[in-house]
Amino acid sequence: SAVISQKPSRDICQRGTSLTIQCQVDSQVTMMFWYRQQPGQSLTLIATANQGSEATYESGFVIDKFPISRPNLTFSTLTVSNMSPEDSSIYLCSVEIGYEQYFGPGTRLTVT
Amino acid sequence: QKEVEQDPGPLSVPEGAIVSLNCTYSNSAFQYFMWYRQYSRKGPELLMYTYSSGNKEDGRFTAQVDKSSKYISLFIRDSQPSDSATYLCAMSGYGGSQGNLIFGKGTKLSVKP
Repeated sequence: SAVISQKPSRDICQRGTSLTIQCQVDSQVTMMFWYRQQPGQSLTLIATANQGSEATYESGFVIDKFPISRPNLTFSTLTVSNMSPEDSSIYLCSVEIGYEQYFGPGTRLTVT
Repeated sequence: QKEVEQDPGPLSVPEGAIVSLNCTYSNSAFQYFMWYRQYSRKGPELLMYTYSSGNKEDGRFTAQVDKSSKYISLFIRDSQPSDSATYLCAMSGYGGSQGNLIFGKGTKLSVKP
């Protein structure tokens, strides 16, 4: 497994602003993923971040809204841009080790 | 029809009971099946990982996959208050990052002392 940390753990932001979420892993991993967990909804994959290449976004998610950086094998950031109340959610990063995915503790975002 | 259906509960059982958690799915291409446990305000924790049909046991936990019925189950024996959490099923058509994990909405379990 892996130890994954996220910053911030929670935040309250105003409409129209942006928030960058950081994800740090204690070992080098090739694949990192960003998920969204909205109340009462399934965990949904936003994008896959492979070090050294552009992130791959799932249907319904775009780079302008959720830009991702992956500067090295232990770190990634997700930015939620131009936020609206609909972006209030828990954002989780995960890493793949072998064929298994492990999740960070999540960032709880509230947009007012 | 959603790809993965999971009864959200809540499910409340007395300590020591056998718990059965279930998911159904519609995509016959799914071959990899996982169960995650998520405590309140924490990230999901991988409990069980199985491939194709059959059973897998790990301590008090048993995962079953019936591909013919498109039905997966997680059994918890001798349930403990510490098992109180939300349980998420997840599945994929391919191993590892080649396959997007599709999650159920989760079942909230409460084990009463």
